[in-house]
Amino acid sequence: DAGITQSPRHKVTETGTPVTLRCHQTENHRYMYWYRQDPGHGLRLIHYSYGVKDTDKGEVSDGYSVSRSKTEDFLLTLESATSSQTSVYFCAISETSGLSYEQYFGPGTRLTVT
Amino acid sequence: DQQVKQNSPSLSVQEGRISILNCDYTNSMFDYFLWYKKYPAEGPTFLISISSIKDKNEDGRFTVFLNKSAKHLSLHIVPSQPGDSAVYFCAAMVTQGGSEKLVFGKGTKLTVNP
Repeated sequence: DAGITQSPRHKVTETGTPVTLRCHQTENHRYMYWYRQDPGHGLRLIHYSYGVKDTDKGEVSDGYSVSRSKTEDFLLTLESATSSQTSVYFCAISETSGLSYEQYFGPGTRLTVT
Repeated sequence: DQQVKQNSPSLSVQEGRISILNCDYTNSMFDYFLWYKKYPAEGPTFLISISSIKDKNEDGRFTVFLNKSAKHLSLHIVPSQPGDSAVYFCAAMVTQGGSEKLVFGKGTKLTVNP
């Protein structure tokens, strides 16, 4: 499972409140990613990190910010949650070796914004 | 503009037969292609990947074929088992300015009937 955990696993929050989701990995991977999964959209990249303090935007980054102060932790923050951010959020890490590229996912966080 | 397309939202196959899942892409700069299986309420599970310089990769019951001229890849599962019933996502990895990002298709739901 590539040693990826996410917390919390489930959260219900109200519109307008800030929310932070945590992704933790134990294997010193350089790249970490945050995705959201919604019906009819597959998985869409929100933000990613290529090292401590090095982050960049994905295709659906509006309304989200990230931070990575340690290799093992990648935080996703919704500054002011909206109902459109109700989704399942997945964290991932990547591994590259020779002609192989693999990306592994955490178990997900189900977020409901009421 | 959807760069990775899975045109079949669902597929039904008899146990023991072959399952063939298809994926088309538009960007010739993709470096790797990956397949994932996803059960409800779980994170995507990595199955197999292929480099853009290869045309076939095999791992147990799973084989991925890449046809670069047609910008098409397929996942073959032989023999299919009821436990293979899940949503399958195709993904493509592109390297841009040192970053590595995945683009996902919207998924195909596979049902393997006993």
